[in-house]
Amino acid sequence: NAGVTQTPKFQVLKTGQSMTLQCAQDMNHEYMSWYRQDPGMGLRLIHYSVGAGITDQGEVPNGYNVSRSTTEDFPLRLLSAAPSQTSVYFCASSSSLGGLYTGELFFGEGSRLTVL
Amino acid sequence: KNEVEQSPQNLTAQEGEFITINCSYSVGISALHWLQQHPGGGIVSLFMLSSGKKKHGRLIATINIQEKHSSLHITASHPRDSAVYICAVRDDKIIFGKGTRLHILP
Repeated sequence: NAGVTQTPKFQVLKTGQSMTLQCAQDMNHEYMSWYRQDPGMGLRLIHYSVGAGITDQGEVPNGYNVSRSTTEDFPLRLLSAAPSQTSVYFCASSSSLGGLYTGELFFGEGSRLTVL
Repeated sequence: KNEVEQSPQNLTAQEGEFITINCSYSVGISALHWLQQHPGGGIVSLFMLSSGKKKHGRLIATINIQEKHSSLHITASHPRDSAVYICAVRDDKIIFGKGTRLHILP
């Protein structure tokens, strides 16, 4: 099915381990982004990308790396996991029109990460 | 100050009531989104607005660009409408409000 595919859905890590959350979309969207959702905090932007080869930091980028080598994929890397990174992570994508980001938002199903 | 403010944070109402959720923002935007998240569930897009008003079933969304304000209305509310409703605004990136938790009692 078309849309945003996010994996894994659940992951448990030990402090200091590394992992990558995968996000792929098949809608040829230019805008892709990663958010974390914590109780009482709402969705907070980690990193975003407005096209292949272009990434930028959001509100809470520390401890996370991203890359955008293709239009379809936008992986989020945790190089050395910390308990503060325990959260639910969402990937989202959107189209643009003439450089204006006016498309509907599409979300992945979310990834629940626990760091012990 | 948060760039996107939603009110109320929590709302409990009886089935059938008319519901209004408000969103105010302080930045210039190209569009505003209303999203819905059921408990433990994913996030789905309800509306995307850049001006005026949109209607989908029992849901109505309005936006006033000059006042930097948007409202989401639910008519004839139903327990299945119980969810968190999130306002998001976008320019070069997308910024979310903290959400409004709605609980409709049967």
